[in-house]
Amino acid sequence: KNQVEQSPQSLIILEGKNCTLQCNYTVSPFSNLRWYKQDTGRGPVSLTIMTFSENTKSNGRYTATLDADTKQSSLHITASQLSDSASYICVVIEGGGYNKLIFGAGTRLAVHP
Amino acid sequence: DTAVSQTPKYLVTQMGNDKSIKCEQNLGHDTMYWYKQDSKKFLKIMFSYNNKELIINETVPNRFSPKSPDKAHLNLHINSLELGDSAVYFCASSRHADPTSSYEQYFGPGTRLTVT
Repeated sequence: KNQVEQSPQSLIILEGKNCTLQCNYTVSPFSNLRWYKQDTGRGPVSLTIMTFSENTKSNGRYTATLDADTKQSSLHITASQLSDSASYICVVIEGGGYNKLIFGAGTRLAVHP
Repeated sequence: DTAVSQTPKYLVTQMGNDKSIKCEQNLGHDTMYWYKQDSKKFLKIMFSYNNKELIINETVPNRFSPKSPDKAHLNLHINSLELGDSAVYFCASSRHADPTSSYEQYFGPGTRLTVT
């Protein structure tokens, strides 16, 4: 069964610290992987999109990595800010003509001053 | 300059009622989507329309009927509302129908539906 699992479920860090969120998937065939940020009460906003051949992608203080062999991705946040408090959702797109989006449950990050 | 907008933002109604949620995008995109986010925060795609044509219909009860009057609008009508329909519904759009491409999806702010 195609699944996307994220860990941890929730995380609390102090402002200025770094953190890494994990995403493991069993989706096959794989097309691409996306990380979204969802603020409370708002729609998800895309952070990165990574295809099979990409190992790392940055968007400001956000850096995503992808290991297609182990089917793992991570999202690293550097020098966290209070505005980083949100849910971070990993989404894997199933390839092979199915084009299905499979969502993880998200990691809820709280950045405290 | 809102990209994807939804109305209403909140909707409280009783079981058995019929309600609609509207979505509009001003990005010039060809493809629009409806997602449901349940209490566990899982997002699941419900429908996708490309150029007003239905291309994805994910085992959604036929009480849910999407309607796309034009490329910029995708409305969701729900008949005979049930308690289990309570969720946040998100509309989204993208330039291309193929999610295997790198085109991003832009989400609306969501509509929180509560069925009592």
